Amino acid sequence: AQKVTQAQTEISVVEKEDVTLDCVYETRDTTYYLFWYKQPPSGELVFLIRRNSFDEQNEISGRYSWNFQKSTSSFNFTITASQVVDSAVYFCALRGVGANSKLTFGKGITLSVRP
Amino acid sequence: DTEVTQTPKHLVMGMTNKKSLKCEQHMGHRAMYWYKQKAKKPPELMFVYSYEKLSINESVPSRFSPECPNSSLLNLHLHALQPEDSALYLCASSRWDNSNEKLFFGSGTQLSVL
Repeated sequence: AQKVTQAQTEISVVEKEDVTLDCVYETRDTTYYLFWYKQPPSGELVFLIRRNSFDEQNEISGRYSWNFQKSTSSFNFTITASQVVDSAVYFCALRGVGANSKLTFGKGITLSVRP
Repeated sequence: DTEVTQTPKHLVMGMTNKKSLKCEQHMGHRAMYWYKQKAKKPPELMFVYSYEKLSINESVPSRFSPECPNSSLLNLHLHALQPEDSALYLCASSRWDNSNEKLFFGSGTQLSVL
């Protein structure tokens, strides 16, 4: 069985602060894929990143960075110098391999960035 | 063009109505998905179509009937819904139904059942 835990439910920061969104996962698969999606108030889920279980390199994309730690089953997401447009719900998700594997989402973290 | 387009954006229907939700993508993706999302909850998978064939049905009640007329279109036919079916219905697509494929989501249809 797969499980994704996003223990933080709501985070509020002031613009330009750095913020880290935590994600911890459980899976019995040796190969799996981790994702982060952003859901702004408009509703669509926007893909942010995909990471496979064999690639533990951290990744940076502009103000976004991700820290994958297989030893602690965590895949945390940091936004540097947050902006009001970063306000959204952020979902971490996990998918194993196999024909019928499905994307398992965490409960999501609501991030509010105040001006 | 990296869009998944869903219509209508909002829908209000009575419990005896029949309506359909539509989803369209022109990215050449061969896997399409329906998800249901209640307020303040994560999306829940309903159906997966792979190469226009239904590959996953997550034990969804028969009052929801999916249809994939061609590789670009995905419909969800609704009949005799219940108020608890009110939710955001999200369509998604991916190149293939493969574990490592990222899903592209539409903006959803906000459904209210009265």
